[in-house]
Amino acid sequence: AQSVTQLDSQVPVFEEAPVELRCNYSSSVSVYLFWYVQYPNQGLQLLLKYLSGSTLVKGINGFEAEFNKSQTSFHLRKPSVHISDTAEYFCAVRVSYQLTFGKGTKLSVIP
Amino acid sequence: EPEVTQTPSHQVTQMGQEVILRCVPISNHLYFYWYRQILGQKVEFLVSFYNNEISEKSEIFDDQFSVERPDGSNFTLKIRSTKLEDSAMYFCASSEMEGTQYFGPGTRLLVL
Repeated sequence: AQSVTQLDSQVPVFEEAPVELRCNYSSSVSVYLFWYVQYPNQGLQLLLKYLSGSTLVKGINGFEAEFNKSQTSFHLRKPSVHISDTAEYFCAVRVSYQLTFGKGTKLSVIP
Repeated sequence: EPEVTQTPSHQVTQMGQEVILRCVPISNHLYFYWYRQILGQKVEFLVSFYNNEISEKSEIFDDQFSVERPDGSNFTLKIRSTKLEDSAMYFCASSEMEGTQYFGPGTRLLVL
């Protein structure tokens, strides 16, 4: 069975500073990887995805993530965060039909 | 941009009552899903649905749950006899063949 570990439950960061949200997964088969963002009182919005090809993927709002098969990681990065990036971020792996999510990382951007 | 919609946004019900949560997936999508998120916990997969039948379901999706696509646009989740532990946010999602799932805004269910 697959699993997703998000190592940090909360990440505070100052505005305009860089941020990295960590995600590790385990799976015995090839996977598709996703990051979703959940703003307060809203649903899950797709941030970016890795299906195949280039291991560096770019998403919306200036986020990017790098798929590292040897380390089974898919860390999310942004070089300069804004107040509006304050939200909860979920890493997910898809095998077959279902998505398996991590517990989420709450990103708080401090002015 | 097309999006998944869900109704109602909030539902309060008494334990033992039946509830139906409704979703309108993106119109050209063929795969439909339900997930739930108990407060403070992970988003958990419940069920996937394709070609008018369940394609996959989790251990959570027991006989109390059922899904249906009653017409060409709606996709519903029914909980026959709600329990306190069914209180959660329920998300509907849909996808094309490629598998990227797009989520609705959720229905917050509170069972009293």
